[in-house]
Amino acid sequence: NAGVTQTPKFQVLKTGQSMTLQCAQDMNHEYMSWYRQDPGMGLRLIHYSVGAGITDQGEVPNGYNVSRSTTEDFPLRLLSAAPSQTSVYFCASSPDLGNQPQHFGDGTRLSIL
Amino acid sequence: RKEVEQDPGPFNVPEGATVAFNCTYSNSASQSFFWYRQDCRKEPKLLMSVYSSGNEDGRFTAQLNRASQYISLLIRDSKLSDSATYLCVVNSLGSARQLTFGSGTQLTVLP
Repeated sequence: NAGVTQTPKFQVLKTGQSMTLQCAQDMNHEYMSWYRQDPGMGLRLIHYSVGAGITDQGEVPNGYNVSRSTTEDFPLRLLSAAPSQTSVYFCASSPDLGNQPQHFGDGTRLSIL
Repeated sequence: RKEVEQDPGPFNVPEGATVAFNCTYSNSASQSFFWYRQDCRKEPKLLMSVYSSGNEDGRFTAQLNRASQYISLLIRDSKLSDSATYLCVVNSLGSARQLTFGSGTQLTVLP
């Protein structure tokens, strides 16, 4: 029972490089989200999707793109990495954003030099 | 003012102690409330949902006070394994955009 799978678990980039963080879920959840977690700031929503083909911006979307071509996959793209994007990134999915909790992947630790 | 505020702690308590955390939220339209637990360098995991009438799950009790806009988590008979950061999560209007996480309260249970 895989749940939410994120890859890679760790990554170091140089400023200006681009990369894609992968997220896949096998629970047939409609809702998927990307968060970043920084010390003392809690989790902040980057982008989210309410279903295949539908995405929207969260609280901190600048510098990131997403797409949702299938229900299962929700990749996050860093267009031109900046040191301010050094963070831990979590992908989450949920069957319903009302009263249903979110299931998180185990995170990607990203450092931008 | 932050939308969801928690005392960051740390709370250091001996095994067997009772400890309580509070979380305040600013949006009176908030509808769903959760407590998550996050171990060091791990992902958040749902501990329990918080219902209007209050709810209990073993040693854990969650309460909601809509009038004062806060939720609480009570842990009785603390175990070493309870050491973690506890995140308060509030959802307004059932929207991902309105799902707000507190920055967490760190608990260490000491032997």
